[in-house]
Parts: sequence; C-alpha cells; structure tokens
Amino acid sequence: EPEVTQTPSHQVTQMGQEVILRCVPISNHLYFYWYRQILGQKVEFLVSFYNNEISEKSEIFDDQFSVERPDGSNFTLKIRSTKLEDSAMYFCASSRQGASYEQYFGPGTRLTVT
Amino acid sequence: QKEVEQNSGPLSVPEGAIASLNCTYSDRGSQSFFWYRQYSGKSPELIMSIYSNGDKEDGRFTAQLNKASQYVSLLIRDSQPSDSATYLCAVRGGGSNYKLTFGKGTLLTVNP
Repeated sequence: EPEVTQTPSHQVTQMGQEVILRCVPISNHLYFYWYRQILGQKVEFLVSFYNNEISEKSEIFDDQFSVERPDGSNFTLKIRSTKLEDSAMYFCASSRQGASYEQYFGPGTRLTVT
Repeated sequence: QKEVEQNSGPLSVPEGAIASLNCTYSDRGSQSFFWYRQYSGKSPELIMSIYSNGDKEDGRFTAQLNKASQYVSLLIRDSQPSDSATYLCAVRGGGSNYKLTFGKGTLLTVNP
C-alpha cells in the first residue's frame, strides 16, 4: 500500500540554523500539505501546495518558512532560521484531490531546536 | 476562529464494549469530516471519513454526522486493547480551502 515517507525521522539543530525537512508524497496524489504538532498540543495546519504553488497558508507559516517541490517526487519544508518554538513534530500529508479527498500523513520528523 | 472541540478524556472502556467519541465544530460551512487515530509518538492515521448527514459504517467503526447540530461522532464496537490511542477529529471547511482543522483529541483506553 502506498504511503507518505519523510526524512529525517529526527533532526536536532541549533537556534538560528536552517533546516530542510523532506517528504515523498503518495505518487498519484496532487495536493501536498505540511502540519505540525507541538508536544501535547493539537495538530496545526501550516501550508497546502498544488500545481507547484502555495494554495493556502496559516499565520504560523511566516517568511521563515518556505516549501518547494524540487522534482517529481520530493516535497520539502525549509525553515530558514530556526527558533526554540519551532521544536515540534512536522507531518507531511498528501491527497489525491483537494475537496472531499482524504489526507494521508507521513510518519513525521521530530525537530528539536536547542 | 474556526474551532473543533473534543472531550480530552481519558475515556476508559472495558474490552468488548462500545466506545463513543464526540466532536463539535464551529464552522457551519464545513464540508468534510475525518477521524484519525494517533498512537503516542506516531502520526495521525486515517480511520474514517464522512461527508453527508447520517451514519457511515466500516467494520467495527461507525461515524455519525449531524450538520444541523454541528456534531460528529465515532463509535467503536467490540473495543480491543489495540484501539487504545488518541482519536482526532478533523474538519475541512467549505470552499476551495482544503486544510484540516483538528481537535485536541480524545484519549481512549481499552482495559483487558
């Protein structure tokens, strides 16, 4: 059964450093998403991406964040200058279409900013 | 601010019982509703989706939707210890925005 994959599973970085989180969505899916979950809190939407552009972003997704689909399979989230409060689980998700289609989540990347 | 509310629990049921999980949402224009299961330290796993009023059954799971009351529920029949997890209610709003808004989740414990 196809699934979303994410690398790395755990990333430790120092405050102010740049990190890139990588995702390979399910191959026939067209919509891609990033969510994050701070420990003990709810899953929060960051950004959605379709047809090589951002279709929606939350207020969390400020200028420090960017997304890219550098090739036909990868989908990346870059945090340009990490802060302590960026420490969280970051989940990539994908869906075949947008409306009324289920979103499937990857296993997540645990980002720890020290 | 569009909200999704769930009782945080914990909800404790004996093995073989029916577990009932509830969720309310604030955006009356919401179109799609999902239940995810999340084991500790893991990612959300989709278990049910429902789009129209009424019941939808899939194996031991039944999702119920009442748009007039802005209420979604999940029933788990014949609960098993392996069902012990946090259950997340997620709601997609109307229009062309496809983001999911999640509740905080209800922790379910099934006791052998």
